[in-house]
Amino acid sequence: GQQLNQSPQSMFIQEGEDVSMNCTSSSIFNTWLWYKQEPGEGPVLLIALYKAGELTSNGRLTAQFGITRKDSFLNISASIPSDVGIYFCAGQNYGGSQGNLIFGKGTKLSVKP
Amino acid sequence: NAGVTQTPKFQVLKTGQSMTLQCAQDMNHNSMYWYRQDPGMGLRLIYYSASEGTTDKGEVPNGYNVSRLNKREFSLRLESAAPSQTSVYFCASSARTGSPYGYTFGSGTRLTVV
Repeated sequence: GQQLNQSPQSMFIQEGEDVSMNCTSSSIFNTWLWYKQEPGEGPVLLIALYKAGELTSNGRLTAQFGITRKDSFLNISASIPSDVGIYFCAGQNYGGSQGNLIFGKGTKLSVKP
Repeated sequence: NAGVTQTPKFQVLKTGQSMTLQCAQDMNHNSMYWYRQDPGMGLRLIYYSASEGTTDKGEVPNGYNVSRLNKREFSLRLESAAPSQTSVYFCASSARTGSPYGYTFGSGTRLTVV
């Protein structure tokens, strides 16, 4: 089946630093999504991207849909302690069972105050 | 405005016991999903239901059964629990399979099988 490679697996950063993570696939997607999971909770949608080359922001978060449609990037600027959690990328194609989301394995972010 | 509600939040089972994890959504979504999350493995799809009356296997269906009771409810059953089924289970829903707006997740059920 389709696989997503998400990197890095984990990050330990100082408060105020910027963060970058990415996701790559061997196949193309029509949609890329980024989720955040806080401890003890389910994943929550942060950003959705629908067009190759699209750059979308949500506060301090910026995500990009790669031009090849096989990758996506998430950047967090000026990190704060509440950014702690696991960030998942997900790719999707439309229609039937192929429309199910394919998830990366997550990037665990730790922020030191 | 609860979204996706899962019960119970925590459960400890003995090997061989059975149990059903409950999930309900109040967003009038057509599609529902069950995932398990294990350290370093991400989210793996167990079963999904594209619409009321249909269910399909996902990536890791062995040892599980599901029932789409009605449009709101989708349950996951472990008939004979095994230690390998120790995990955190998430239910999710979407407007339809392939909806470009992603899934809404519940807060999870943490299951330990001893």
